[in-house]
Amino acid sequence: NAGVTQTPKFRVLKTGQSMTLLCAQDMNHEYMYWYRQDPGMGLRLIHYSVGEGTTAKGEVPDGYNVSRLKKQNFLLGLESAAPSQTSVYFCASRRDRGNSPLHFGNGTRLTVT
Amino acid sequence: DQQVKQNSPSLSVQEGRISILNCDYTNSMFDYFLWYKKYPAEGPTFLISISSIKDKNEDGRFTVFLNKSAKHLSLHIVPSQPGDSAVYFCAASSFFSGTYKYIFGTGTRLKVLA
Repeated sequence: NAGVTQTPKFRVLKTGQSMTLLCAQDMNHEYMYWYRQDPGMGLRLIHYSVGEGTTAKGEVPDGYNVSRLKKQNFLLGLESAAPSQTSVYFCASRRDRGNSPLHFGNGTRLTVT
Repeated sequence: DQQVKQNSPSLSVQEGRISILNCDYTNSMFDYFLWYKKYPAEGPTFLISISSIKDKNEDGRFTVFLNKSAKHLSLHIVPSQPGDSAVYFCAASSFFSGTYKYIFGTGTRLKVLA
């Protein structure tokens, strides 16, 4: 049981380039989330999804797009990367409608030069 | 506007002693609180949670206390072990726009000295 898997683990982009981060979960969870972690700022919510085919904005959505075409996958896209998007990105999922813990992947470290 | 605050960026404790990590929140709509542990180059791992209808929850060496009137929660680790050295995040959730949103604090780095 792999849980939440993120690919790639590391990436370096030049300003203006685009990329997609992939998150896959094998726990049949409905809810999925993308967070970014920056020094001194904790984890901030970028976008989330409450089910297949749905997405919604979190606290810091600007510069990112997401898609949830399949229940098990949640993709985070950067159309035109900026140095301010240098961060560690974490995907998380959780089980059900009520309160339940988030399960996190191991993160993607992205550097934009 | 930081709704969940961890005011101590770091904490050092001797092995075998108690570690107390603190967290304050501002939004009275939060009804579920969690603690996560994070090692370098790994994702946060869920430790323990508490619902707002309780004031204490225990799981082995870990106990979380909730003081709703003070909008304060704490995590006690007894006894502390070197393997507990990590960054600890508290989080709070409330129902908003059709789902539960989870807001995280900035983390406290715990170092347990052997």
